[in-house]
Amino acid sequence: KQEVTQIPAALSVPEGENLVLNCSFTDSAIYNLQWFRQDPGKGLTSLLLIQSSQREQTSGRLNASLDKSSGRSTLYIAASQPGDSATYLCAVVGSRSKLIFGTGTRLQVFP
Amino acid sequence: EADIYQTPRYLVIGTGKKITLECSQTMGHDKMYWYQQDPGMELHLIHYSYGVNSTEKGDLSSESTVSRIRTEHFPLTLESARPSHTSQYLCASSEYLTGSGRTDTQYFGPGTRLTVL
Repeated sequence: KQEVTQIPAALSVPEGENLVLNCSFTDSAIYNLQWFRQDPGKGLTSLLLIQSSQREQTSGRLNASLDKSSGRSTLYIAASQPGDSATYLCAVVGSRSKLIFGTGTRLQVFP
Repeated sequence: EADIYQTPRYLVIGTGKKITLECSQTMGHDKMYWYQQDPGMELHLIHYSYGVNSTEKGDLSSESTVSRIRTEHFPLTLESARPSHTSQYLCASSEYLTGSGRTDTQYFGPGTRLTVL
């Protein structure tokens, strides 16, 4: 059974810091991994998608890497801003049409 | 195993037609979602619902509308289809609220591949 864990559960940093959010999954048989952000009381916003054959993806200040064999992905946020404050979720797509979300990292960036 | 159904599986229609994509689940899940996905691209959330009479828009702007009159049913409607609506539409449901601090599994239907000519 696939389990997805994110560390840390919560993070509070001053503006300008570079951040690393971690995601680990127990079953390496995935099709892809996607990072989302969720603002309080709202739905999900897609950030990055990494196919199982890829190692990393970049979008602006975000960079996500994937090491499928070790069951890990990291989301790197450069030069964090208060607007980055949200919950960040990783999700893996495995077999049988399941999208399994991690437990989330709640990020707060203060000025 | 998850039981979530979508109809039709494939739909080819002309511009200007009104269409409704059906989604039903028999798991008693309160949370339901509609995603839009182009081949090889990210899933984008377009609508979600926390329960009966609750609907919210997702991160991708969509001209579609949804309703949630019954727990098991979450249809998506396009009043006037256009070629830009051509995509795959995926419905999902889950037991827990995503982002609640615990692992959440969303179960997906088989999808509706929509082509608007």
